Amino acid sequence: KAGVTQTPRYLIKTRGQQVTLSCSPISGHRSVSWYQQTPGQGLQFLFEYFSETQRNKGNFPGRFSGRQFSNSRSEMNVSTLELGDSALYLCASSLGLAGGKETQYFGPGTRLLVL
Amino acid sequence: GDSVTQMEGPVTLSEEAFLTINCTYTATGYPSLFWYVQYPGEGLQLLLKATKADDKGSNKGFEATYRKETTSFHLEKGSVQVSDSAVYFCALSDDQGGSEKLVFGKGTKLTVNP
Repeated sequence: KAGVTQTPRYLIKTRGQQVTLSCSPISGHRSVSWYQQTPGQGLQFLFEYFSETQRNKGNFPGRFSGRQFSNSRSEMNVSTLELGDSALYLCASSLGLAGGKETQYFGPGTRLLVL
Repeated sequence: GDSVTQMEGPVTLSEEAFLTINCTYTATGYPSLFWYVQYPGEGLQLLLKATKADDKGSNKGFEATYRKETTSFHLEKGSVQVSDSAVYFCALSDDQGGSEKLVFGKGTKLTVNP
């Protein structure tokens, strides 16, 4: 079974630009969550999508948005990039049916550098 | 809100030493508890989990017991190997609202020397 894949793996952008990251979950998984990982703040939850609906959202500004498609693939978008958005962005997938008891499977991440 | 506190380290041990990484949590409801591990340049992998009080999760020689009375989920291994060098994250998932949201501790970097 193929794991969670994320594209691109590395990205360099400049301040003010926007960026779109993609995540393909494990086949059959309907929940996709996104996390931001930085040395200072650690791992922070961005949002979760289940069956194309946002089910939960973390405390991030509106510049961070996401969506999920009917095949469960998900994208997240960051507009008007700031230097502080430089981070490793991880997505995780699961069946999404057990109310938090399931194992989440993480992708390798997209490393974003904002200059 | 929910939170996880774990010893931040770094922790440096010699091969075959005993490992303990402390983790305590604050949560409403009845959370599930997890230990994830991150190797350099990779995403996170589940190491073990426990979904209710007194459950013991175990994998690859690592163990952790869900202690509701002390709100703790300490990670232990009796004899570490060089290959265990990684960053370890304690996490919880609350059972409120059906979401899969994980709340993580800051992570503990473990280095095992031969």
